[in-house]
Amino acid sequence: EAQVTQNPRYLITVTGKKLTVTCSQNMNHEYMSWYRQDPGLGLRQIYYSMNVEVTDKGDVPEGYKVSRKEKRNFPLILESPSPNQTSLYFCASSLEPTGGYGYTFGSGTRLTVV
Amino acid sequence: AQKITQTQPGMFVQEKEAVTLDCTYDTSDQSYGLFWYKQPSSGEMIFLIYQGSYDEQNATEGRYSLNFQKARKSANLVISASQLGDSAMYFCAMRETGFKTIFGAGTRLFVKA
Repeated sequence: EAQVTQNPRYLITVTGKKLTVTCSQNMNHEYMSWYRQDPGLGLRQIYYSMNVEVTDKGDVPEGYKVSRKEKRNFPLILESPSPNQTSLYFCASSLEPTGGYGYTFGSGTRLTVV
Repeated sequence: AQKITQTQPGMFVQEKEAVTLDCTYDTSDQSYGLFWYKQPSSGEMIFLIYQGSYDEQNATEGRYSLNFQKARKSANLVISASQLGDSAMYFCAMRETGFKTIFGAGTRLFVKA
């Protein structure tokens, strides 16, 4: 089944404890991206990647890191999480960064930082 | 700066009627793409429809159509013959040539039986 797999689905952590949210897609998509969803704000882009070793900042990159060492994987790293990073996170991919290719989204990761 | 505005936080529609969800955008790019996504209460995000800035005809996908008015910078989603399963959050999104994609705040649609 073609899909984007995110793990974990739920995570509660403490301030300052490094964490990684994994994202993997099995569709050979070039373009991958991370978003956070907060009530009233819609989805805001954190980072995106157009291909292996090519990443760029979205609108809210502070406090996050990403890497794209393989085409299929695009992990999101929070080096020192803070409570304002409590949110619902989505990984998404599309075949290409242009044209009419909509995103395929992962199921989301609900992160709580206490 | 690019921006997406969805002015309707919530809307009600009677089952089997049509409904229009508003979306306006702001961009200085000539080439861009507009998207609509659906988020049911279960939380997943589902791609519905796409409109390119150079497309002359409005996009359609089944019961979904996109009313694209380029001069007014609007890209409204029209859902015909609403069904109970259409109750969800709907997001308008825009992708510019720089490959960033931004989303609006969303409109929550309630379909009444």
